[in-house]
Amino acid sequence: GAVVSQHPSRVICKSGTSVKIECRSLDFQATTMFWYRQFPKQSLMLMATSNEGSKATYEQGVEKDKFLINHASLTLSTLTVTSAHPEDSSFYICSARRGGTYEQYFGPGTRLTVT
Amino acid sequence: GIQVEQSPPDLILQEGANSTLRCNFSDSVNNLQWFHQNPWGQLINLFYIPSGTKQNGRLSATTVATERYSLLYISSSQTTDSGVYFCAVLTTDSWGKFQFGAGTQVVVTP
Repeated sequence: GAVVSQHPSRVICKSGTSVKIECRSLDFQATTMFWYRQFPKQSLMLMATSNEGSKATYEQGVEKDKFLINHASLTLSTLTVTSAHPEDSSFYICSARRGGTYEQYFGPGTRLTVT
Repeated sequence: GIQVEQSPPDLILQEGANSTLRCNFSDSVNNLQWFHQNPWGQLINLFYIPSGTKQNGRLSATTVATERYSLLYISSSQTTDSGVYFCAVLTTDSWGKFQFGAGTQVVVTP
């Protein structure tokens, strides 16, 4: 149990285009999902917290107009990188918190390359 | 905010060896989890262990909450244990947001 999926696993896009990444909790309900970014050889950095039915909260320094988050249901959150630039190239990971617990489960990640 | 420090930063082991990874944290925690990030980037939950001791096969973990540290033990290491091990903590005022340590890079050689 406690499986989280992400789609796509890998995406290459041209500079200036937008990319949407989906995060789904497959076998549990997640009122809260989190989006992280990880650069090579570094730890995970939290970008934003996504709560079902309400606006996402963003960490300091993360542009909310560039990284659009939608948490439309208890099992789906999406991250859209708008007007992507090469510096947005990174590994994006989502996690979902099982309702009523402190436990978080992570998706397999999406590797974004902007050319 | 809470500080999370992991040691050592890098570890090279010969297959079959045992090792201990450490995670120190600077404040009381509601949750502490150990993760293994495999070479493909997938984060695997190893333990949810805000306190006490747990074992799962060749891995075990102990958290001493009063002294603000946690240990991850790997016994009889295998090449598949290679990857980065992260410790992440939650505090009462963190709104459910994990604070990750910098990780320990483990390489197990045949």
